[in-house]
Order: sequence, then C-alpha cells, then structure tokens
Amino acid sequence: SQQGEEDPQALSIQEGENATMNCSYKTSINNLQWYRQNSGRGLVHLILIRSNEREKHSGRLRVTLDTSKKSSSLLITASRAADTASYFCATDYDNYGQNFVFGPGTRLSVLP
Amino acid sequence: DAGVTQSPTHLIKTRGQQVTLRCSPKSGHDTVSWYQQALGQGPQFIFQYYEEEERQRGNFPDRFSGHQFPNYSSELNVNALLLGDSALYLCASSFRTSGEPYEQYFGPGTRLTVT
Repeated sequence: SQQGEEDPQALSIQEGENATMNCSYKTSINNLQWYRQNSGRGLVHLILIRSNEREKHSGRLRVTLDTSKKSSSLLITASRAADTASYFCATDYDNYGQNFVFGPGTRLSVLP
Repeated sequence: DAGVTQSPTHLIKTRGQQVTLRCSPKSGHDTVSWYQQALGQGPQFIFQYYEEEERQRGNFPDRFSGHQFPNYSSELNVNALLLGDSALYLCASSFRTSGEPYEQYFGPGTRLTVT
C-alpha cells in the first residue's frame, strides 16, 4: 500500500483563494517532498522538508510537517489558474530514494 | 543545461511484445530511478540504478528489468507486455550524496499503451 495519502482527492477554488492539501503517512521518514504534475506530464519538485523541520516556505508555497501526527500540509496562497495541476507528496525513508513513495495525489483546479 | 530526457514520448505495443524505454539524467546526476504511473494514480517506484547496479526494487515482477550505462543513462525493459502495463513511465535522476536528502528531477515521461 502507498505510504502517503493526500487529502482531499480533488479541490476546486477560485483564483486568488488559498489552497490547502494534506498528506498523511504511516511510518517514520527522513524527509517529505511535494511535487506538482501538469496534465500527466513529468513531475516538478516543489519543496523538501526534513524530518527535523516543522515549516518551510518557497514563494507562495508553505509546507508544514508534524511528525507526531505523521502528516504534512501544502498551502498555496493567492492561487492562480496556472496552479491547476495534481499535487503529490512523496516520503523518503532513507535519504537515497530507495524507499521513495508517492501518494495518489490531490487534483487542484483553480478557476479564473 | 539539459534536464532529464526520455525517449520515446509515446509508444504503442501489442500484448506479449517487449519494450525498451530510455532515459538520460540531468547533467551531474549519477542515480536514475524509474516509476510507473497509471492513470489517476501516483507514481509507483520500479527500481533505482546507481553505479551501474540495481540498488533497490519496488514491487514489480522480473518482467521489468533495467540497465545503467557508464555515462549514467539508463534503460527500462519490459518483457511479455500485459494490458495492465499501459501507463506513463517516468525517469528521475538525482545526485547521491552521502548523508544528504536529495531532490529527484523527473523527465517528461514515456506514455506506453499496450493493446
């Protein structure tokens, strides 16, 4: 079974609103990464957060990690139509990607 | 600086046939991982190659095999194709640095359709 599970499965918002996606996982990790995928194409790396970090920012992205709850969230502020994509969390057990497990993703639609 | 490249972009094969997909990693990267992504699903890890050896393997049958060349490029071979092998196959490269978490850079993928 997959390690990470994103929630919700699908999210539809208006441009300018904030979008929050959550990821839960089952076992201890070394780091967690968020990726974006447009229309079934290659994945784009968004942000990496290590197990000893609680929050990271990158532009309009904010990621939090709660290792006690085994969960992470991705917040996209002031969303744009170009943010429409599928978002995946990926958990890494050993820092070498040998146990790099993706969740099923959240499909975000940002309406103009 | 070229990113990760994959070929071909699309491929149509018949059940029982064999297929080879190719990947060139991002410049400076030495590790290649392969993923299978079915429609509407997240990528599933197939295996990873480093120093021309398979280092880790996901839950895929022996019909899936690979190779890494001295220039770090890689191939994914699938034998005896099944309808269920239809998917987007993604290659990701990275630089394996001891003790440091790393980012994987993904190629655009190869869309395989088995009829």
